Amino acid sequence: DAGITQSPRHKVTETGTPVTLRCHQTENHRYMYWYRQDPGHGLRLIHYSYGVKDTDKGEVSDGYSVSRSKTEDFLLTLESATSSQTSVYFCATANRGPQEGQPQHFGDGTRLSIL
Amino acid sequence: ILNVEQSPQSLHVQEGDSTNFTCSFPSSNFYALHWYRWETAKSPEALFVMTLNGDEKKKGRISATLNTKEGYSYLYIKGSQPEDSATYLCALGSSNTGKLIFGQGTTLQVKP
Repeated sequence: DAGITQSPRHKVTETGTPVTLRCHQTENHRYMYWYRQDPGHGLRLIHYSYGVKDTDKGEVSDGYSVSRSKTEDFLLTLESATSSQTSVYFCATANRGPQEGQPQHFGDGTRLSIL
Repeated sequence: ILNVEQSPQSLHVQEGDSTNFTCSFPSSNFYALHWYRWETAKSPEALFVMTLNGDEKKKGRISATLNTKEGYSYLYIKGSQPEDSATYLCALGSSNTGKLIFGQGTTLQVKP
């Protein structure tokens, strides 16, 4: 949907290693988001971007960093992965902000396991 | 920290039953209320975005209403079908920052 590709789709790695997840969109949407989905918590916002090089923190940003050097790509990095970061990660995009009545479009998710 | 509450957490109904769920949110600084449908093993899909008090939206057998003064939205499904089985998420846009705060969802199971 909205031409959103997340990579990788699955990853298993060890505690302490760096991990980068990529979200690529082809719709030229201004806003991009990273969420994590955990049982009992629904979707929680990690970081989001409102333009190239413009990012802000979400509810659960500790241990994560992001970068957006091009409109189409939004990278999420776990500098030193911990087991508590095992989760399913969703990228979303939107043409305008949610406060302007625009829905978000979601990628298919990345399942990350940290052993 | 803003809290978006959805009830019930889960719901089991028979095919043909009509059902509804609630999304409650703080009414201050309201900008928009979103509803998403999330099927197992898929990604969330937008159903409705509502911005005005009294808004009503409809898509087929699914409709939603919004009361921003008292801080709630209802989602209705008329004549539930097994393909309606999914988790329904509401999300609040409460500031001019671009953030959405999601509720934990209501999981609906429709038995044939």
